[in-house]
Formats: sequence, structure tokens, C-alpha cells
Amino acid sequence: DTGVSQDPRHKITKRGQNVTFRCDPISEHNRLYWYRQTLGQGPEFLTYFQNEAQLEKSRLLSDRFSAERPKGSFSTLEIQRTEQGDSAMYLCASSLGSGPGDEQFFGPGTRLTVL
Amino acid sequence: GNSVTQMEGPVTLSEEAFLTINCTYTATGYPSLFWYVQYPGEGLQLLLKATKADDKGSNKGFEATYRKETTSFHLEKGSVQVSDSAVYFCALFTGGGNKLTFGTGTQLKVEL
Repeated sequence: DTGVSQDPRHKITKRGQNVTFRCDPISEHNRLYWYRQTLGQGPEFLTYFQNEAQLEKSRLLSDRFSAERPKGSFSTLEIQRTEQGDSAMYLCASSLGSGPGDEQFFGPGTRLTVL
Repeated sequence: GNSVTQMEGPVTLSEEAFLTINCTYTATGYPSLFWYVQYPGEGLQLLLKATKADDKGSNKGFEATYRKETTSFHLEKGSVQVSDSAVYFCALFTGGGNKLTFGTGTQLKVEL
């Protein structure tokens, strides 16, 4: 399978703990995006990378959130001192380019539950 | 800022019925428009897209036409099947925004 993969698929944690998620994009894709989706809502943009450079961050991404994409390959999203409001599905997507018609391919997501 | 408004669900139809899911948008510049579908237990998949005004995107019997004058991108299918049951998301992308902006999604249930 050469699609976007995410790990873990599910994470349950206690409030105040740190969590880290991993995303492996499609191998030749330059762009990598992180979105968050809560129940009954559409995905909301968090941040994106062009190769290893993080080029934009949403205001949703508080200072407890940090994302990296070392060497322009896989990416990690870390949430420090988790809060119950962080419970959501975290989606990763990748695209080959940044043109208006470039399709973003989504991974299956990591469902985070903060108790 | 950019925004997408979709009709609320759930939408329940009988098999072979005609489907319309309304989508309107607000955007700066000239967005590309997309419909994504999320089947139960699966990730988001691109269903169809249109990159400029009057373009029609189509796939799997679904169609949507980019109407700049009404800022709309309504999804239609002439005859739905039970297997079309899913959540459908309308989205837009602008180069300046560098990200997809999604609507809230519309759940479709198709019954025999």
C-alpha cells in the first residue's frame, strides 16, 4: 500500500500527558498537511510543510502543539500537556505539488481521546 | 476569509432516487472546488474536483458544476445506491491560502 499512513490509529491518554503522532506521506509528495476533525465537523487546517519547511500554522495550533518534518519525509505532531478539548481525529494529507488542482491524499487519521 | 456552507444532514433517500447536496462558498481569489467522501470506517477520498468557473467535475456517476455567479458547487447523482451511503464534504482550495477549507459535511443514507 503506497498511500498515506498514520500511527497510531487510536490514542487514549490522560489530561496533562504528552502525545506524539506520526504521518508517512506518499513518497514523492512535497507537501504535507495536518488537519483536525471533531465530531460532526469538517476537517480544519492546522499546518503544512513544503519539504522540510513548515510554511504556515493555523491559529488553532497553540504553543502546546509542535510539528516537524525532518528531511522532508515523515512528519510528527506532538501535543504537550493534553487537554480534553484536544480530543479529535488528527488527519494527515500529502500532495505532489501546490497547484490549484493538486489532490490532497488523506491518511486514515489518528483518533485522540483525552480523559 | 474563506468558508464553505453545506446543507445539513442526514439526508435519507431510497435506492435509485435523485441526489442533490447543496454547497456554496465564500472565497478571495479564484478557488478550486472539491467534493470529498468519507465511507464508514475509512479515510477521506477525493470524489471530484473543478478548478475554474463552468468546469464540471464527475466521477462514479456524481457530478458538480463550478458556478461562479452563484458561488456554488452542488453535488448531484441521478440514481443513488446503498453503497453511496457516506459523509460528503465540499471543500475549496486557494493558492494564497495553501490549504483546504471544508464544509461541515452532509451524511447520506441510502435505503433499499
